[in-house]
Amino acid sequence: RKEVEQDPGPFNVPEGATVAFNCTYSNSASQSFFWYRQDCRKEPKLLMSVYSSGNEDGRFTAQLNRASQYISLLIRDSKLSDSATYLCVAVSGYSSASKIIFGSGTRLSIRP
Amino acid sequence: NAGVTQTPKFRVLKTGQSMTLLCAQDMNHEYMYWYRQDPGMGLRLIHYSVGEGTTAKGEVPDGYNVSRLKKQNFLLGLESAAPSQTSVYFCASSQGQGSGYTFGSGTRLTVV
Repeated sequence: RKEVEQDPGPFNVPEGATVAFNCTYSNSASQSFFWYRQDCRKEPKLLMSVYSSGNEDGRFTAQLNRASQYISLLIRDSKLSDSATYLCVAVSGYSSASKIIFGSGTRLSIRP
Repeated sequence: NAGVTQTPKFRVLKTGQSMTLLCAQDMNHEYMYWYRQDPGMGLRLIHYSVGEGTTAKGEVPDGYNVSRLKKQNFLLGLESAAPSQTSVYFCASSQGQGSGYTFGSGTRLTVV
């Protein structure tokens, strides 16, 4: 079993729709979580950190559920420009020995 | 603001050849990383560094070596390239292990 798992998709939704996807992690010691966005043939870019209380950045909302060990990303009023692959990251520990694990990504395609 | 710069962007090697990938960051970050990204595998950590003069192995270090002689530079070496090392290589830096990464634009390496 992968330490961080994501549904690879693709999620194909119409413009303006709300879409959500989850990412599960197996290491209960994971302490920090992030969502990255990666466009085709480009580098990943940090989208947002995920806080325990949940956090929102414009149309994007990230949630953390420690009991069930998953994080989620909700995108409201989706735009064509939201089409990308979304990677989740789980980090265990803050020292030099911490582990940083990327999920394989969920592909999102927004159609007109 | 250059951020993280990787060179070269593309390279084709013959099996057995050697090469060095250069990563440079201008953000005074302590931590630097080398990842490879393969279809369906996500990002996998090759080596990382927590400061000038230090390096450590990641998840898939075999066949690679690294050096961090200066804080701003992190070099990845392939001593004897193999077709299994065909991949997209990303360098990243961060201020701390729990911080988000800034990625370089990647190096597409093909070993024939």
